Amino acid sequence: GAVVSQHPSRVICKSGTSVKIECRSLDFQATTMFWYRQFPKKSLMLMATSNEGSKATYEQGVEKDKFLINHASLTLSTLTVTSAHPEDSSFYICSARSGVTQETQYFGPGTRLLVL
Amino acid sequence: AQKVTQAQTEISVVEKEDVTLDCVYETRDTTYYLFWYKQPPSGELVFLIRRNSFDEQNEISGRYSWNFQKSTSSFNFTITASQVVDSAVYFCALSEPGGNNRLAFGKGNQVVVIP
Repeated sequence: GAVVSQHPSRVICKSGTSVKIECRSLDFQATTMFWYRQFPKKSLMLMATSNEGSKATYEQGVEKDKFLINHASLTLSTLTVTSAHPEDSSFYICSARSGVTQETQYFGPGTRLLVL
Repeated sequence: AQKVTQAQTEISVVEKEDVTLDCVYETRDTTYYLFWYKQPPSGELVFLIRRNSFDEQNEISGRYSWNFQKSTSSFNFTITASQVVDSAVYFCALSEPGGNNRLAFGKGNQVVVIP
């Protein structure tokens, strides 16, 4: 149980385009999902917290117009990187909080984004 | 504010040796949760254990064991008889209950098991 998927696993795009990343909880309902960014050999940096049916809460320094988050259902949250630039290249990973064991976050496999 | 410190950046061990990863945390709350996650080269974070602040019992799961000592604010992780498949980055994390249960991660321990 507690499986989280992410799609795509890797994406290469041209500068200026937008990229959408999906995060799905496959076998549980996730009232809260989290989006992280990870640079090589670094720890995870929380970008935003997404609650189903409400606006995401962004961490300080994260541009909400740049990183659009939608949590339309209890099993799906999306992160859209708008007008991507090379500095947005990173590893993006989502997590979902299980409704059964509320304190544990289960992570997706991550998405590697390369902006040329 | 909460903080998690994993002082050892990279640890190399020869296969079958034991390795202990230190995690020290800071929090003002009396109720909190501690976690360990494994991140293999593929990138996915794998949940290993969750411990709440009121449960100081040590835990063993196969070759993995955890030592939670509230008196020293530490939650150390030991891999016994390490194997090459244990090569990964291991993260210790702290969350405070309520609200959105945000996690504060340590910087991670890169474990390299040499065959």
